[in-house]
Amino acid sequence: DIQMTQSPSTLSASVGDRVTITCRASQSVIIWLAWYQQKPGKAPKLLIYETSSLESGVPSRFSGSGSGTEFTLTITSLQPDDFATYYCQQYNSYVSFGGGTKVEIK
Amino acid sequence: EVHLVESGGGVIQPGGSLRLSCAASGFTFEDYGMHWVRQAPGKSLEWVSVISGDGSNSHHADSVKGRFTISRDNSKNSLYLQMNSLRSEDTALYYCAKDISQTTLVMGYWGQGTLVTVSS
Repeated sequence: DIQMTQSPSTLSASVGDRVTITCRASQSVIIWLAWYQQKPGKAPKLLIYETSSLESGVPSRFSGSGSGTEFTLTITSLQPDDFATYYCQQYNSYVSFGGGTKVEIK
Repeated sequence: EVHLVESGGGVIQPGGSLRLSCAASGFTFEDYGMHWVRQAPGKSLEWVSVISGDGSNSHHADSVKGRFTISRDNSKNSLYLQMNSLRSEDTALYYCAKDISQTTLVMGYWGQGTLVTVSS
């Protein structure tokens, strides 16, 4: 099984900040990496797939990069609606999720 | 508009069985792979199962293999999860999710979930 590790687990930031979340895989997942956003009491929402492809309707302030075992999700200018928990997911070998990164208000 | 509505959750004793259902609408159901993903209280997401659009192929996570079975009825636009030999560690909110394609294994749309509590 491929293990996914996210860092940090919690991130404190302010509106307007540039935020970067890292996701590391225990073995190469090539480019088969997705990112989801989850708000409290709500279902996850797909943001990015295939490392950097933005899902329809997702604001362009979200971007993804990486390959192999190291990936990042970047939010260029944090907005109030972005305070949430973010999960990475590999789909090179079935599916596994990272432990999540909670982005909270500083 | 895509709509996924899960049902069938509840409180069940260890060793018991439960069948979850997911009613889908707003898209051509048979064209998409479907998933079950669960989330224990306060924890991360755990993928459970996937089934292809025509139902001919499925796969389950090791943690549920041999106990859970995913199935679908395309004539009813419905997805199911038969859960047997339930354990306390199966306690979670169970989400039904639509793949972005046949079976890319990317979950493009999620229902709101149905809660399963395994407790004596």
